[in-house]
Amino acid sequence: AQSVSQHNHHVILSEAASLELGCNYSYGGTVNLFWYVQYPGQHLQLLLKYFSGDPLVKGIKGFEAEFIKSKFSFNLRKPSVQWSDTAEYFCAVNGGTGRRALTFGSGTRLQVQP
Amino acid sequence: DAGVTQSPTHLIKTRGQHVTLRCSPISGHKSVSWYQQVLGQGPQFIFQYYEKEERGRGNFPDRFSARQFPNYSSELNVNALLLGDSALYLCASSLGQGDGNQPQHFGDGTRLSIL
Repeated sequence: AQSVSQHNHHVILSEAASLELGCNYSYGGTVNLFWYVQYPGQHLQLLLKYFSGDPLVKGIKGFEAEFIKSKFSFNLRKPSVQWSDTAEYFCAVNGGTGRRALTFGSGTRLQVQP
Repeated sequence: DAGVTQSPTHLIKTRGQHVTLRCSPISGHKSVSWYQQVLGQGPQFIFQYYEKEERGRGNFPDRFSARQFPNYSSELNVNALLLGDSALYLCASSLGQGDGNQPQHFGDGTRLSIL
């Protein structure tokens, strides 16, 4: 069975600080990887996705993530966070064609202080 | 374009009752998935439907059932409600055949509280 681990449950940063949120998954086959964000009072929104190709993927709002297959990791990064990045971030994976369900991590709550 | 819409927004039920939650996918999306999100956790997969057929089922008891209609909208039904069913129920739709590499788009969810 697939599983996703997000190491940081709650992160507090000051504006302009750099961000890296960890995500590790367990699944031996081909995977599709996602980061979703949930702003306060809003629905889950897709930040970025990796299906194949360049392991460094860029998403919306200056976010990027790097897929490291050997480490089963898909960490999310942003060079300089803003107060508006305050939200909950979820890493998710599905096991490629034929495995359509997303398996989510438990989420990381990011609080950016002005 | 309208996103994924779910109804109702909030619902309060008592133990043993039955509930029906509804979801309308984004126009043109043929695949609908249901997830349960308990407070403090990530969403957990319940069902996925494509073209009215069940394409996947998560580790939930038979009290949970779902269906998809010809217009691609979907219902999630939960019988014999338990306190532990209190959660946010999310619906997500995706384009095409619901294949693994199609990103899912989520609705705002239905907050279900069991007393």
